Amino acid sequence: ETGVTQTPRHLVMGMTNKKSLKCEQHLGHNAMYWYKQSAKKPLELMFVYSLEERVENNSVPSRFSPECPNSSHLFLHLHTLQPEDSALYLCASSQDWAGFSGANVLTFGAGSRLTVL
Amino acid sequence: AQKVTQAQTEISVVEKEDVTLDCVYETRDTTYYLFWYKQPPSGELVFLIRRNSFDEQNEISGRYSWNFQKSTSSFNFTITASQVVDSAVYFCALSEGGTGRRALTFGSGTRLQVQP
Repeated sequence: ETGVTQTPRHLVMGMTNKKSLKCEQHLGHNAMYWYKQSAKKPLELMFVYSLEERVENNSVPSRFSPECPNSSHLFLHLHTLQPEDSALYLCASSQDWAGFSGANVLTFGAGSRLTVL
Repeated sequence: AQKVTQAQTEISVVEKEDVTLDCVYETRDTTYYLFWYKQPPSGELVFLIRRNSFDEQNEISGRYSWNFQKSTSSFNFTITASQVVDSAVYFCALSEGGTGRRALTFGSGTRLQVQP
């Protein structure tokens, strides 16, 4: 069983809906990440949280809103998305934020497959 | 700027063949880390290996081996005697440990299909 659990695994939403993706890690890690994986594109880092504080935001549109209530949980709130936002959204965690040394190994969840109609 | 290039988009081999996945990276940092991850059809990326820029020793783990060559900025991955279970997308990634960008930069991935 993976130490990082993502729900839902599949989500279909209209452009006017509001939904949330949830990520939970059971590894005692201090950093959590959201990545976007689109077809035929490299994984794109969206947000990084270290000890519940956002430490990186890679110019992500405001229709994506992250929330990290504690070091074990990470949410991605979605509203008024566009069809091009359809992708696999991957959550990951690491012992510490990679910003300290770059050496941290990430543990990934299985992803939430989002389709925006 | 850091960059990772995986020129092979898709490779198809027959079981028991050896296969090499190429990875070329760019960085201005002298301290950096290279990674390989495997993404099976289930979706989650699975960590395979991490090397730092000061350790050019090749590594072997079972049927997997990695060839790190700083002179050519390459970190290639070889699977010996491939098996159907090796079918997945493989990602090479780079993070910088000096003054550069610490977060992982991924290549676009190589899809490996191993036919029985």
